Amino acid sequence: DAGVTQSPTHLIKTRGQQVTLRCSPKSGHDTVSWYQQALGQGPQFIFQYYEEEERQRGNFPDRFSGHQFPNYSSELNVNALLLGDSALYLCASSLDRGNQPQHFGDGTRLSIL
Amino acid sequence: EDQVTQSPEALRLQEGESSSLNCSYTVSGLRGLFWYRQDPGKGPEFLFTLYSAGEEKEKERLKATLTKKESFLHITAPKPEDSATYLCAVQAYSGGYQKVTFGIGTKLQVIP
Repeated sequence: DAGVTQSPTHLIKTRGQQVTLRCSPKSGHDTVSWYQQALGQGPQFIFQYYEEEERQRGNFPDRFSGHQFPNYSSELNVNALLLGDSALYLCASSLDRGNQPQHFGDGTRLSIL
Repeated sequence: EDQVTQSPEALRLQEGESSSLNCSYTVSGLRGLFWYRQDPGKGPEFLFTLYSAGEEKEKERLKATLTKKESFLHITAPKPEDSATYLCAVQAYSGGYQKVTFGIGTKLQVIP
C-alpha cells in the first residue's frame, strides 16, 4: 500500500522564480493538505483540497496556489519566490470522513538562493 | 485562534530513563488530538489519535493520554532509536471545516 509520495525531494531556486511541487496521496484518501515547515518549527497549514476545490486556507499570500486533479493528486505552486520561502514543504492526505488522521509524505526541501 | 504549546522544546534522556512530553492546547470544539514522530529530513509519522478526555493509547514504549486542556506522551525506558522530534496537533472546526494546528515539537535525544 503506497503511502504519500512527493516530488521532487530537493529543489534549489533563485529569488523571483516560480516552483511547482507535486503530491500523490495515500491510496484511498481523497483530501490533500499542504504545510510549510521551517527549520526547528512545526508544520504551518497552507491550504487543503477536496473534490478539486480549495476548501480551507491558512495565513499564506496569494503567491501560494494549488490544484487537485481528478485522481486526488495535487500540486503546490509558489510564484515570485522569496528567501523566506526556503523550507520543507509537506503534503498530507486523509479521508474526508470523521476525524481521520493525516498521513504525511517526506516532503520537498526547497532552498532559495 | 487555536493554539498548541509543547514542552519542553528539547529533552535529553539516558537510555532507560522514563519521562513525559506535554502538549497543552486552546481550541474551540476539539475533534481530535494527534501525536506524530518526525525524524530529521522526513515527514511526520502518525502515532496516535485521542478523541476525548480520559482516553489513553499505547504503542511499544509510548503511551498518550488526554485531558480537557492537555495531552501527555509518556516514554517508558526509552532507547536511542526513540530519538526524534515529537509533534502534537489538534483538529478542530474552523469556518465549517476541520482544521489541524501543530505545535513546535519536542526534540528528544536518548543517550546510550
